[in-house]
Amino acid sequence: EPEVTQTPSHQVTQMGQEVILRCVPISNHLYFYWYRQILGQKVEFLVSFYNNEISEKSEIFDDQFSVERPDGSNFTLKIRSTKLEDSAMYFCASREKTGGGGEKLFFGSGTQLSVL
Amino acid sequence: AQSVTQPDIHITVSEGASLELRCNYSYGATPYLFWYVQSPGQGLQLLLKYFSGDTLVQGIKGFEAEFKRSQSSFNLRKPSVHWSDAAEYFCAVGRLGGGNKLTFGTGTQLKVEL
Repeated sequence: EPEVTQTPSHQVTQMGQEVILRCVPISNHLYFYWYRQILGQKVEFLVSFYNNEISEKSEIFDDQFSVERPDGSNFTLKIRSTKLEDSAMYFCASREKTGGGGEKLFFGSGTQLSVL
Repeated sequence: AQSVTQPDIHITVSEGASLELRCNYSYGATPYLFWYVQSPGQGLQLLLKYFSGDTLVQGIKGFEAEFKRSQSSFNLRKPSVHWSDAAEYFCAVGRLGGGNKLTFGTGTQLKVEL
C-alpha cells in the first residue's frame, strides 16, 4: 500500500524557535492535511490544502502556522515561534480525489514535536 | 458542531475473546463515520468506513462496525481478538463537503492478554 512519509520522526526544539515539519504525500494525491495530537488528547484537524492554497483551517491554525507545497512532492508545516503547548504528534495526511468527504485518508506515522 | 465520544479509555481482553469498542457521535445529518487504528510508532490506518447503504460494514483485519442511527452509534467489533490487535483505536466523523475534515474521538487503548 502506498505511504505518506514524514520527517523527522522526532523533533526537539527550544521555545521561540522555528520548526518545519516535512511530509511527502502519496504522489497522485490532490488534498493534503495536517492534524495534531497532544498527548492524551484527541487528534485535531489543523489545516487542509488543495490546489496550492489552504482550503480550510481550524482555530488552532493561527498566524504562527503556515503550510507550503514548495515543489511537486513535499508538503510542509512551519511553526514560526514555537510555544510549549505546540508539543504534540503532528500527522500529515493526503487523499486522492474530490468528493463528499468519504475518500480514504492516508496518514503518515507522525512527527513528535517536543518544545522545551 | 460534530463530535465523537469514545467512552472507554482503556479496554483489556483476552486473546480469542470478542471485542466491542464503543463510539457515539453527534452530527446534524447523515455522517461519514470511520474507525482508525494506531499501533505504536505507526500512523493512523483506516479500518473501515460508513457513508450510506448497509449499516453493517466490514473492514480489514476481521473488524466490522454497525451504524445505528437511532443510537447515534458506530461500534467496532471483532469476534476473536489476536494479540496483534493491541493498539489505540479512534472513531472519527466527517461531513458532506467537509473535504475530509475529520473530528476524532479521544481513542480507546486496547490491551490483549495472552
